[in-house]
Amino acid sequence: EVQLVESGGDLVQPGGSLRLSCAASGFTFGSYWMHWVRQVPGKGLVWVSRIHPDGRRTSYSDSVKGRFTISRDNTENTLFLQMTSLRVDDTAIYYCARDGGGWAWGQGTLVSVSS
Amino acid sequence: FMLTQPHSVSESPGKTITISCTRNSGRIASNFVQWYQQRPGSAPTTVIYEDKRRPSGVPDRFSGSIDSSSNSASLTISGLKTEDEADYFCQSYDGDIGVFGGGTKLTVL
Repeated sequence: EVQLVESGGDLVQPGGSLRLSCAASGFTFGSYWMHWVRQVPGKGLVWVSRIHPDGRRTSYSDSVKGRFTISRDNTENTLFLQMTSLRVDDTAIYYCARDGGGWAWGQGTLVSVSS
Repeated sequence: FMLTQPHSVSESPGKTITISCTRNSGRIASNFVQWYQQRPGSAPTTVIYEDKRRPSGVPDRFSGSIDSSSNSASLTISGLKTEDEADYFCQSYDGDIGVFGGGTKLTVL
């Protein structure tokens, strides 16, 4: 069974940093593109970033480019999102998702940016 | 580009509904379209991928299609059940960038 478990969400002040993790199991992690998607509670889904299976190709939405960095450790079956220069409008639930054969989604982790 | 969905739809149990997802520039057939269901308080799940494929476990009441003439994708749910009440989001790609539609709230009453 595919499982994706996000962690690392927290309350952080504007300008701060946070690293999210997504622990994967139940599939060959190093064979799949992975994504981060965020959602303000009660609002729509917003794509954030994705990473190639080998970790060498990444892409970002304009709203996070230059501030967020996606990475992965295929030996530990873990996806990361390093978030810096956080802003109030980065407040959201952050989901990781596995691409291929229909995305598989984690349950999300809440990031709150507030002073 | 943007993907535009109706804000909400409602229908009675047992009926059929179709949710549209219109691409405002570029061809809808240029990139696969996926559809996600999100029930209140839960994470999204995939109901359709690659325009019309169903993940295992998704009932065949759910179907997807592409219409090049209207440059849109559609999600059709037949034999509506109360459990289908949820938000539905379409998704595609603009090169390397993911794009989501704004979501459609389906009410089954």
